Amino acid sequence: GQNIDQPTEMTATEGAIVQINCTYQTSGFNGLFWYQQHAGEAPTFLSYNVLDGLEEKGRFSSFLSRSKGYSYLLLKELQMKDSASYLCAVLDSNYQLIWGAGTKLIIKP
Amino acid sequence: ETGVTQTPRHLVMGMTNKKSLKCEQHLGHNAMYWYKQSAKKPLELMFVYNFKEQTENNSVPSRFSPECPNSSHLFLHLHTLQPEDSALYLCASSQDRDPNTGELFFGEGSRLTVL
Repeated sequence: GQNIDQPTEMTATEGAIVQINCTYQTSGFNGLFWYQQHAGEAPTFLSYNVLDGLEEKGRFSSFLSRSKGYSYLLLKELQMKDSASYLCAVLDSNYQLIWGAGTKLIIKP
Repeated sequence: ETGVTQTPRHLVMGMTNKKSLKCEQHLGHNAMYWYKQSAKKPLELMFVYNFKEQTENNSVPSRFSPECPNSSHLFLHLHTLQPEDSALYLCASSQDRDPNTGELFFGEGSRLTVL
């Protein structure tokens, strides 16, 4: 079966750095996505990785290792508005999106 | 504002009621999707429409009936639902379905409670 694992919940402090991990086992791989979803709002696209390495976009970075079936989302200089759920999703060989259950990130002052 | 609008935002219905969820996208996309989001579970893909044609139905019970009159509008008709159908129903769109590059634009969802 296909599976995406990510922690259910994480807590971090305002101004700090947090890393949200995602491991996957899928039938093929055509890219990995991170989405952000604030409570009561629509999920919004954050990043897409298809090659190994780190992609940086402002305070957010996403890393991919295809050989390890592993990705992480790195959030720097955390702000209270970063409190949200972060969803990891993999595009499999049939171009189907396989979703993780999401990681709820709580930022404390 | 993601360009995808869903109504109603909240809906409470009894098991014998019939109701509909509506989704409209203003992005000129060709593909539209219905997802079910339950607490602490992965998003579940329900239906996919590409150029108004249904291309996927992921073993969804017949008490959920989709309708796509044009590329901008998508409905989910609900009848004789069960309490376990209570969830957030998300509509999404993408430029194309094939190949699916995966970037989806979601609406804010319709929170459904079945009593």
